[in-house]
Amino acid sequence: QQQVKQSPQSLIVQKGGISIINCAYENTAFDYFPWYQQFPGKGPALLIAIRPDVSEKKEGRFTISFNKSAKQFSLHIMDSQPGDSATYFCAASLISSGTYKYIFGTGTRLKVLA
Amino acid sequence: ETGVTQTPRHLVMGMTNKKSLKCEQHLGHNAMYWYKQSAKKPLELMFVYNFKEQTENNSVPSRFSPECPNSSHLFLHLHTLQPEDSALYLCASRLSGNTIYFGEGSWLTVV
Repeated sequence: QQQVKQSPQSLIVQKGGISIINCAYENTAFDYFPWYQQFPGKGPALLIAIRPDVSEKKEGRFTISFNKSAKQFSLHIMDSQPGDSATYFCAASLISSGTYKYIFGTGTRLKVLA
Repeated sequence: ETGVTQTPRHLVMGMTNKKSLKCEQHLGHNAMYWYKQSAKKPLELMFVYNFKEQTENNSVPSRFSPECPNSSHLFLHLHTLQPEDSALYLCASRLSGNTIYFGEGSWLTVV
């Protein structure tokens, strides 16, 4: 029940295309859903995040769509660029024992072709 | 640069060695985390400290021993590790909001 399922495992997109990564969760206690971007040799960095009372959040070329009833959320990268090539992790957090716990998906390796 | 610094960046150790990983943040954050990142696996939460007190131990083997002397520093002491413990160990910190900030990680190889 604490899992976050992420798909696809890898994704290849042409430059200018749309990249879509999907995540699903079970635990309705999750109340915050961030996406992290990780380049090789670096730690994950926060990209964009959403709360369950909002159905969509957009920041530049990055959009999160959130479907509370389906317990699913997705990341859309519009006009994908080679510089977006990285591994993307979805996550869900909740408060447990007075501390925020973050559960991560398995990651999606995105490659954007020039 | 996230403000979370991890050292060393790379560590090779034998199974009988004792070593430590260090994490330091000067962001004024009060919660610190250790995660393990292995290939094709989700980031695995290991330990959480809140105001220097351990609030989470995610069934981590005792060969991993965390230490949090103050809110700015977090250590992971390693002893008698196994080759399957080879991974990227990530430290993260959080203030009062939801966002956690990761360091660049320490690559550990156990030989």
